[in-house]
Amino acid sequence: GQNIDQPTEMTATEGAIVQINCTYQTSGFNGLFWYQQHAGEAPTFLSYNVLDGLEEKGRFSSFLSRSKGYSYLLLKELQMKDSASYLCGADSNYQLIWGAGTKLIIKP
Amino acid sequence: GAGVSQSPSNKVTEKGKDVELRCDPISGHTALYWYRQSLGQGLEFLIYFQGNSAPDKSGLPSDRFSAERTGGSVSTLTIQRTQQEDSAVYLCASSSGRDSYNEQFFGPGTRLTVL
Repeated sequence: GQNIDQPTEMTATEGAIVQINCTYQTSGFNGLFWYQQHAGEAPTFLSYNVLDGLEEKGRFSSFLSRSKGYSYLLLKELQMKDSASYLCGADSNYQLIWGAGTKLIIKP
Repeated sequence: GAGVSQSPSNKVTEKGKDVELRCDPISGHTALYWYRQSLGQGLEFLIYFQGNSAPDKSGLPSDRFSAERTGGSVSTLTIQRTQQEDSAVYLCASSSGRDSYNEQFFGPGTRLTVL
């Protein structure tokens, strides 16, 4: 079958670093998306990884290991506005298989 | 340019009534998706349209749910004889459908409440 697993909730401190993990099992895998979703809003695109390795984009970085079916999103210098849910999605053929999302709580 | 739009933004209906939700995708996007998201939950895939191909309806939870896409653009999701468990946010997304990856652009969603 196809499934995506990520932690339900994480808590971190403003200014710190947090890593959100995602493991997946899909068929026809093309790449791995990360989206951010603030409460009551639609998801917005953060990153897409096709090749193994780390891709850095400002305070956010995303890592992929295709052989391990594993990805993580790394958030540095956390700000209060980073409090949101982070959705992991596997690009499987024509659709995304979504994880349930990780709710990130940032404390001052 | 204009993003994905959805209407209405909020819909309150009584159990047993039919509802129609509308989605206007980004112009030129050939792929269109409907998702359902219950409070605090992830995205539940409902249906997928790609160009003129037959839609993938594998995610529709029951035969009370149906969707159409007219002229390869606007889509309508219809829920007949609504039930309280249908209460959720219904999200529409579109993608170009031509690139090597399928970044999806989401609309603001329709919050459906069934009383």
